[in-house]
Amino acid sequence: DQQVKQNSPSLSVQEGRISILNCDYTNSMFDYFLWYKKYPAEGPTFLISISSIKDKNEDGRFTVFLNKSAKHLSLHIVPSQPGDSAVYFCAAFVNSNTGKLIFGQGTTLQVKP
Amino acid sequence: DVKVTQSSRYLVKRTGEKVFLECVQDMDHENMFWYRQDPGLGLRLIYFSYDVKMKEKGDIPEGYSVSREKKERFSLILESASTNQTSMYLCATYGLETQYFGPGTRLLVL
Repeated sequence: DQQVKQNSPSLSVQEGRISILNCDYTNSMFDYFLWYKKYPAEGPTFLISISSIKDKNEDGRFTVFLNKSAKHLSLHIVPSQPGDSAVYFCAAFVNSNTGKLIFGQGTTLQVKP
Repeated sequence: DVKVTQSSRYLVKRTGEKVFLECVQDMDHENMFWYRQDPGLGLRLIYFSYDVKMKEKGDIPEGYSVSREKKERFSLILESASTNQTSMYLCATYGLETQYFGPGTRLLVL
């Protein structure tokens, strides 16, 4: 049972436009979410997070939105750059004491020059 | 700056071989994790450890074991490698409300 889902395996956008990556979850007990970015042949790196007490968190070109009633979060990248081309994973804490996370399947973003 | 290193970037092994993947971290984090990443399946947790000599099964522990003899080192062991264990293996530690990953080991089992 996939508790964190990224239903779009891939996304292609033009440089300078907005990229929107989506993530859905099924467990209403999840209260802290993270996005990771992964380049080929490298480990994932932390990008941005959001707590369930907020509905938005911004860091430069990256904004994460959380809709608790819909159990949905999205990552917005504005403006998109070719260097943003990577696999993006959303994740939810199963247990913030142990740091155990559950990940989505990932979305491959391609930003075309 | 957190540093997580993995002993090999690429590995080729034969079916039935015993395989050791090593992970070392320098941040004194208590919790460490082993994942495998496969296309379309995301990151799946194999095992994690929350203290020296303590371990807990993740979602896909079958065919794997782990060892944590020292706080900084967490080893993943494939007891008898099989072709369906061909994958990217990622080690991570937990601190400051996030996980920090190593560069990964791409394992090919022939």
